[in-house]
Amino acid sequence: DTAVSQTPKYLVTQMGNDKSIKCEQNLGHDTMYWYKQDSKKFLKIMFSYNNKELIINETVPNRFSPKSPDKAHLNLHINSLELGDSAVYFCASSQERTGYTFGSGTRLTVV
Amino acid sequence: GESVGLHLPTLSVQEGDNSIINCAYSNSASDYFIWYKQESGKGPQFIIDIRSNMDKRQGQRVTVLLNKTVKHLSLQIAATQPGDSAVYFCAETPNAGNMLTFGGGTRLMVKP
Repeated sequence: DTAVSQTPKYLVTQMGNDKSIKCEQNLGHDTMYWYKQDSKKFLKIMFSYNNKELIINETVPNRFSPKSPDKAHLNLHINSLELGDSAVYFCASSQERTGYTFGSGTRLTVV
Repeated sequence: GESVGLHLPTLSVQEGDNSIINCAYSNSASDYFIWYKQESGKGPQFIIDIRSNMDKRQGQRVTVLLNKTVKHLSLQIAATQPGDSAVYFCAETPNAGNMLTFGGGTRLMVKP
């Protein structure tokens, strides 16, 4: 069983479209995250979310929004996609004292 | 703002040699540090972690050293193998379970 699973693995879409990336964790972790990895491999936090609090990195455009239907899911919605949104997006989850687990990533290409 | 600093250099080592990857951080409030390995097409994989009340922690073939005085973290890999070839990241957080701040990564290339 995959601990943190993301879908789709690859996503190619045109500028201006709206898309979603799904993430599910079966670890029972309380907190989930979205990270963006750019072409230079730099990993940057976008959101942190548990059932009490959403923390947003202030540099993330408001076209990006996390949606959490329940504790095990944190989906990423992106509106009006731009070329600069092309990157690999990683979902992760954590629980204090048990560490962090990352998904395998979604490569988004905006054309 | 404060950040974990590590550009993306490449470290090339011969198979069987020891590897040392370094990381500097600037957030004095950092309490928990993690090293991750990322292979091509995969997500970051946990290697080893250390809390700020320790200077050294050992795992299987890996050792993490923490020097809080100079805010420096290192990962030592003993008897480096071709399978160790990947990009390595250090990450830090003030509290385990909170958001991680990543360094820029180091690419390790192991020559057979």
